[in-house]
Amino acid sequence: GEDVEQSLFLSVREGDSSVINCTYTDSSSTYLYWYKQEPGAGLQLLTYIFSNMDMKQDQRLTVLLNKKDKHLSLRIADTQTGDSAIYFCAESPYNTDKLIFGTGTRLQVFP
Amino acid sequence: EAQVTQNPRYLITVTGKKLTVTCSQNMNHEYMSWYRQDPGLGLRQIYYSMNVEVTDKGDVPEGYKVSRKEKRNFPLILESPSPNQTSLYFCASRMVYSNTEAFFGQGTRLTVV
Repeated sequence: GEDVEQSLFLSVREGDSSVINCTYTDSSSTYLYWYKQEPGAGLQLLTYIFSNMDMKQDQRLTVLLNKKDKHLSLRIADTQTGDSAIYFCAESPYNTDKLIFGTGTRLQVFP
Repeated sequence: EAQVTQNPRYLITVTGKKLTVTCSQNMNHEYMSWYRQDPGLGLRQIYYSMNVEVTDKGDVPEGYKVSRKEKRNFPLILESPSPNQTSLYFCASRMVYSNTEAFFGQGTRLTVV
Protein backbone atom coordinates (compact mmCIF):
# COMPACT_ATOMS: atom_id res chain seq x y z
CA GLY A 1 0.00 0.00 0.00
CA GLU A 2 0.94 3.63 -0.05
CA ASP A 3 3.00 4.79 2.89
CA VAL A 4 5.39 7.66 3.50
CA GLU A 5 7.59 7.69 6.60
CA GLN A 6 9.67 10.36 8.26
CA SER A 7 11.38 10.77 11.60
CA LEU A 8 9.37 12.99 13.92
CA PHE A 9 11.98 15.41 15.27
CA LEU A 10 15.26 17.03 14.30
CA SER A 11 17.19 19.58 16.31
CA VAL A 12 20.11 21.55 14.83
CA ARG A 13 22.27 24.52 15.73
CA GLU A 14 21.87 27.72 13.76
CA GLY A 15 24.34 27.80 10.86
CA ASP A 16 24.63 24.01 10.59
CA SER A 17 23.09 21.93 7.83
CA SER A 18 19.84 20.04 8.40
CA VAL A 19 18.99 16.81 6.65
CA ILE A 20 15.42 15.56 6.75
CA ASN A 21 14.82 12.04 5.46
CA CYS A 22 11.78 10.34 4.00
CA THR A 23 11.00 6.88 2.66
CA TYR A 24 8.06 6.09 0.41
CA THR A 25 6.59 2.90 -0.96
CA ASP A 26 4.85 3.69 -4.26
CA SER A 27 7.45 3.29 -7.00
CA SER A 28 5.01 4.69 -9.56
CA SER A 29 5.16 8.16 -8.02
CA THR A 30 6.22 10.61 -10.67
CA TYR A 31 6.68 13.63 -8.42
CA LEU A 32 7.90 13.92 -4.84
CA TYR A 33 7.41 17.05 -2.81
CA TRP A 34 8.60 18.85 0.27
CA TYR A 35 6.10 21.08 2.06
CA LYS A 36 6.79 23.39 5.00
CA GLN A 37 4.28 24.16 7.75
CA GLU A 38 5.01 27.11 9.99
CA PRO A 39 3.21 27.42 13.34
CA GLY A 40 -0.48 28.25 12.93
CA ALA A 41 -0.31 28.14 9.14
CA GLY A 42 -1.15 25.86 6.28
CA LEU A 43 1.36 23.97 4.19
CA GLN A 44 3.47 25.70 1.56
CA LEU A 45 5.33 23.98 -1.22
CA LEU A 46 9.10 24.28 -0.72
CA THR A 47 10.37 22.26 -3.64
CA TYR A 48 9.67 19.13 -5.65
CA ILE A 49 11.60 16.64 -7.73
CA PHE A 50 10.60 14.62 -10.76
CA SER A 51 11.21 10.91 -10.39
CA ASN A 52 13.75 10.71 -13.21
CA MET A 53 16.05 13.13 -11.38
CA ASP A 54 18.63 12.27 -8.70
CA MET A 55 19.18 15.72 -7.32
CA LYS A 56 17.71 19.18 -7.39
CA GLN A 57 19.24 22.29 -5.89
CA ASP A 58 17.39 25.50 -5.13
CA GLN A 59 19.41 28.09 -3.19
CA ARG A 60 19.90 26.64 0.32
CA LEU A 61 17.79 23.57 -0.43
CA THR A 62 19.09 20.34 -1.93
CA VAL A 63 16.80 17.42 -2.66
CA LEU A 64 18.30 13.97 -3.18
CA LEU A 65 16.30 11.08 -4.58
CA ASN A 66 17.38 7.45 -4.42
CA LYS A 67 14.73 5.72 -6.47
CA LYS A 68 16.15 2.24 -5.89
CA ASP A 69 15.81 2.59 -2.12
CA LYS A 70 12.71 4.83 -2.37
CA HIS A 71 14.48 7.39 -0.22
CA LEU A 72 14.11 11.15 -0.43
CA SER A 73 16.03 13.74 1.56
CA LEU A 74 15.95 17.48 2.01
CA ARG A 75 19.13 19.26 2.99
CA ILE A 76 18.93 22.83 4.25
CA ALA A 77 22.29 24.58 4.25
CA ASP A 78 23.12 27.27 6.82
CA THR A 79 19.94 26.57 8.80
CA GLN A 80 18.33 29.66 10.32
CA THR A 81 15.85 30.08 13.17
CA GLY A 82 13.25 30.98 10.55
CA ASP A 83 13.58 27.46 9.19
CA SER A 84 12.00 26.07 12.38
CA ALA A 85 8.82 24.38 11.18
CA ILE A 86 7.30 21.00 10.35
CA TYR A 87 8.48 19.57 7.03
CA PHE A 88 6.31 17.12 5.14
CA CYS A 89 7.43 14.80 2.42
CA ALA A 90 4.69 13.85 -0.07
CA GLU A 91 4.37 11.59 -3.07
CA SER A 92 1.92 11.73 -5.95
CA PRO A 93 1.26 8.27 -7.43
CA TYR A 94 1.18 7.94 -11.18
CA ASN A 95 -1.99 9.08 -12.90
CA THR A 96 -3.60 10.48 -9.76
CA ASP A 97 -3.91 13.94 -8.28
CA LYS A 98 -3.68 12.53 -4.80
CA LEU A 99 -0.93 13.67 -2.44
CA ILE A 100 0.19 11.15 0.17
CA PHE A 101 1.91 12.85 3.06
CA GLY A 102 4.43 11.60 5.55
CA THR A 103 4.07 12.12 9.28
CA GLY A 104 6.08 15.34 9.17
CA THR A 105 9.44 16.17 10.78
CA ARG A 106 9.54 18.97 13.31
CA LEU A 107 12.77 20.91 12.82
CA GLN A 108 13.93 22.97 15.76
CA VAL A 109 16.82 25.38 15.24
CA PHE A 110 18.58 26.66 18.32
CA PRO A 111 21.08 29.55 18.58
CA GLU B 1 -3.85 37.13 -4.41
CA ALA B 2 -4.17 33.39 -4.97
CA GLN B 3 -5.54 31.79 -1.87
CA VAL B 4 -7.61 29.12 -0.19
CA THR B 5 -9.84 30.45 2.58
CA GLN B 6 -11.24 28.31 5.34
CA ASN B 7 -13.71 29.30 8.00
CA PRO B 8 -13.81 29.20 10.92
CA ARG B 9 -10.17 29.03 12.08
CA TYR B 10 -11.16 27.68 15.48
CA LEU B 11 -14.30 25.86 16.58
CA ILE B 12 -15.35 24.18 19.81
CA THR B 13 -18.58 22.21 19.63
CA VAL B 14 -20.48 19.49 21.44
CA THR B 15 -20.96 15.88 20.39
CA GLY B 16 -23.78 15.46 17.89
CA LYS B 17 -24.23 19.10 16.88
CA LYS B 18 -23.99 19.37 13.09
CA LEU B 19 -21.34 21.73 11.75
CA THR B 20 -19.92 22.90 8.44
CA VAL B 21 -16.41 24.11 7.70
CA THR B 22 -16.29 26.22 4.57
CA CYS B 23 -13.52 26.29 1.98
CA SER B 24 -13.21 28.64 -0.97
CA GLN B 25 -10.47 29.07 -3.60
CA ASN B 26 -9.99 31.86 -6.15
CA MET B 27 -7.67 30.08 -8.58
CA ASN B 28 -10.26 28.26 -10.71
CA HIS B 29 -8.78 24.92 -9.63
CA GLU B 30 -10.68 21.79 -10.50
CA TYR B 31 -9.23 19.58 -7.74
CA MET B 32 -10.07 20.26 -4.11
CA SER B 33 -9.56 18.09 -1.06
CA TRP B 34 -9.88 17.95 2.70
CA TYR B 35 -7.22 16.61 5.08
CA ARG B 36 -7.04 16.12 8.78
CA GLN B 37 -3.76 16.48 10.62
CA ASP B 38 -3.14 14.51 13.80
CA PRO B 39 0.11 14.21 15.80
CA GLY B 40 2.29 11.38 14.56
CA LEU B 41 -0.05 10.63 11.67
CA GLY B 42 0.67 13.46 9.27
CA LEU B 43 -2.07 14.56 6.89
CA ARG B 44 -4.72 12.08 5.87
CA GLN B 45 -7.13 12.75 3.06
CA ILE B 46 -10.82 12.77 4.00
CA TYR B 47 -12.57 13.54 0.69
CA TYR B 48 -11.63 15.00 -2.64
CA SER B 49 -13.35 16.45 -5.67
CA MET B 50 -12.14 16.44 -9.27
CA ASN B 51 -14.71 18.99 -10.42
CA VAL B 52 -18.23 20.32 -9.81
CA GLU B 53 -20.59 17.56 -8.66
CA VAL B 54 -17.73 15.01 -8.65
CA THR B 55 -16.63 13.91 -5.17
CA ASP B 56 -14.98 10.79 -3.83
CA LYS B 57 -13.79 9.29 -0.56
CA GLY B 58 -10.23 9.64 0.59
CA ASP B 59 -8.53 7.51 3.21
CA VAL B 60 -10.58 8.51 6.28
CA PRO B 61 -14.08 9.52 5.09
CA GLU B 62 -16.17 8.04 7.94
CA GLY B 63 -18.24 10.67 9.75
CA TYR B 64 -17.79 13.33 7.07
CA LYS B 65 -19.68 14.59 4.03
CA VAL B 66 -18.75 17.08 1.33
CA SER B 67 -20.45 18.81 -1.55
CA ARG B 68 -19.20 20.59 -4.68
CA LYS B 69 -22.02 22.64 -6.14
CA GLU B 70 -19.69 25.38 -7.39
CA LYS B 71 -16.11 25.18 -8.56
CA ARG B 72 -14.75 27.57 -5.94
CA ASN B 73 -16.41 26.06 -2.83
CA PHE B 74 -15.92 22.72 -1.12
CA PRO B 75 -17.54 22.62 2.33
CA LEU B 76 -16.84 19.85 4.84
CA ILE B 77 -19.88 18.70 6.80
CA LEU B 78 -19.89 16.81 10.09
CA GLU B 79 -23.47 15.64 10.58
CA SER B 80 -22.93 14.30 14.09
CA PRO B 81 -19.45 15.21 15.36
CA SER B 82 -17.74 12.94 17.85
CA PRO B 83 -14.66 13.55 20.05
CA ASN B 84 -12.45 11.43 17.75
CA GLN B 85 -13.00 14.09 15.09
CA THR B 86 -11.12 16.62 17.20
CA SER B 87 -8.32 17.55 14.84
CA LEU B 88 -6.72 20.19 12.64
CA TYR B 89 -8.40 20.32 9.23
CA PHE B 90 -6.95 21.63 5.98
CA CYS B 91 -8.57 22.32 2.66
CA ALA B 92 -6.37 22.29 -0.44
CA SER B 93 -6.78 22.94 -4.14
CA ARG B 94 -4.70 22.38 -7.26
CA MET B 95 -5.08 22.09 -11.01
CA VAL B 96 -6.10 18.62 -12.09
CA TYR B 97 -3.79 16.26 -14.01
CA SER B 98 -0.85 18.59 -13.66
CA ASN B 99 1.14 17.62 -10.55
CA THR B 100 1.46 21.30 -9.84
CA GLU B 101 1.58 22.90 -6.44
CA ALA B 102 -1.29 22.28 -4.05
CA PHE B 103 -2.42 25.40 -2.21
CA PHE B 104 -3.56 25.00 1.38
CA GLY B 105 -5.90 26.96 3.58
CA GLN B 106 -4.80 28.21 7.00
CA GLY B 107 -6.45 25.33 8.81
CA THR B 108 -9.43 24.88 11.12
CA ARG B 109 -8.79 23.61 14.61
CA LEU B 110 -11.87 21.68 15.70
CA THR B 111 -12.52 20.47 19.24
CA VAL B 112 -15.51 18.23 19.91
CA VAL B 113 -16.39 17.83 23.59
